[in-house]
Amino acid sequence: DSGVTQTPKHLITATGQRVTLRCSPRSGDLSVYWYQQSLDQGLQFLIQYYNGEERAKGNILERFSAQQFPDLHSELNLSSLELGDSALYFCASSVEGLPYNEQFFGPGTRLTVL
Amino acid sequence: QQPVQSPQAVILREGEDAVINCSSSKALYSVHWYRQKHGEAPVFLMILLKGGEQKGHEKISASFNEKKQQSSLYLTASQLSYSGTYFCGTETVDRDDKIIFGKGTRLHILP
Repeated sequence: DSGVTQTPKHLITATGQRVTLRCSPRSGDLSVYWYQQSLDQGLQFLIQYYNGEERAKGNILERFSAQQFPDLHSELNLSSLELGDSALYFCASSVEGLPYNEQFFGPGTRLTVL
Repeated sequence: QQPVQSPQAVILREGEDAVINCSSSKALYSVHWYRQKHGEAPVFLMILLKGGEQKGHEKISASFNEKKQQSSLYLTASQLSYSGTYFCGTETVDRDDKIIFGKGTRLHILP
């Protein structure tokens, strides 16, 4: 158990809908990362927050947005969902959010878009 | 910018050695290695920083050749528990705070 929690574990929804994925980092970690994992693309970095502020952005679609709240939990919002958005979404946390910090991954949220 | 991992998949017998390579087209500042077992989250193995250092974790070690812009992960005397997918993540010398992961190398250890 990494100490990072993600909810829900599974999410099944229809195209065009909007969903919110939630992540709570390990106690003491200030930075949160979001990744998308699909079969053919491996782990795709989406976005990183550090102490409430956006720190780095990867290949995140405009339909996706995220934020980190004062209590350091983070939410990833996915809207106008398409079939191709079906994937495993991981959240990870680290102490300072620096590249040489170890990242601790949560168990993931499996999103299925029908 | 995504690093390229090779091989894509490896099948070994318990006790055999394996090498997994990670190459980048850009100059690297750091390389991260993670292992993911089927149905589980990735787990950190080690980070190597610019400077050509080597690190070890049990019977798993890695090297980082910054001139060649590549890193190699060495698994010696493999154990059944080593099975999984190994990902390398790289940060370029641009220091843009992004770790970009490769597509992974699937390792299967047979008894």
